[in-house]
Amino acid sequence: RKEVEQDPGPFNVPEGATVAFNCTYSNSASQSFFWYRQDCRKEPKLLMSVYSSGNEDGRFTAQLNRASQYISLLIRDSKLSDSATYLCVVTIYNQGGKLIFGQGTELSVKP
Amino acid sequence: ETGVTQTPRHLVMGMTNKKSLKCEQHLGHNAMYWYKQSAKKPLELMFVYNFKEQTENNSVPSRFSPECPNSSHLFLHLHTLQPEDSALYLCASSQPRQSSNEKLFFGSGTQLSVL
Repeated sequence: RKEVEQDPGPFNVPEGATVAFNCTYSNSASQSFFWYRQDCRKEPKLLMSVYSSGNEDGRFTAQLNRASQYISLLIRDSKLSDSATYLCVVTIYNQGGKLIFGQGTELSVKP
Repeated sequence: ETGVTQTPRHLVMGMTNKKSLKCEQHLGHNAMYWYKQSAKKPLELMFVYNFKEQTENNSVPSRFSPECPNSSHLFLHLHTLQPEDSALYLCASSQPRQSSNEKLFFGSGTQLSVL
């Protein structure tokens, strides 16, 4: 089983749509959680941290469910500029804070 | 601009060549990393340096040799690579490992092609 597993994608949605990505992690010692965004041929950039209480940043909402070991990212009112690959990242407390990346979910927002 | 600069952006090399990738960060971080990103695969951690000391080597072949002369600079020396080593190589930096809120800042990467 992969340590971090994401929806395979790609997701093709029209502008204005709401889209949700899911991510599951296998190590219960996972400590911190993040969503990164990676544009084509560019480096990953931190989109948002994910807190136990959930957090929202504009059109983006991240949720964490420790009991079920999954993280979600919801994007409302999708824009063309949201097209990118979204990477789920967890840190493993008992592996010295090692970051584990998911394989990414590609999103394509169409006009 | 993330404060992490990588050079070169693109590199084509033969299997007998020797080349080096360079990374510099201006963020005052003390941890630096090399990642490999192959097509359709998750990022793979290669090396970690904390306060200039190598703290992690993820079973990387010896044809990849890292060097960290100080907390701001990181190199990846390449020699006798194989075509399957072709990938995007990303440098990243962060606050020291083991901090409770580790976030990575990546450079733009070097797209490496081995012929």
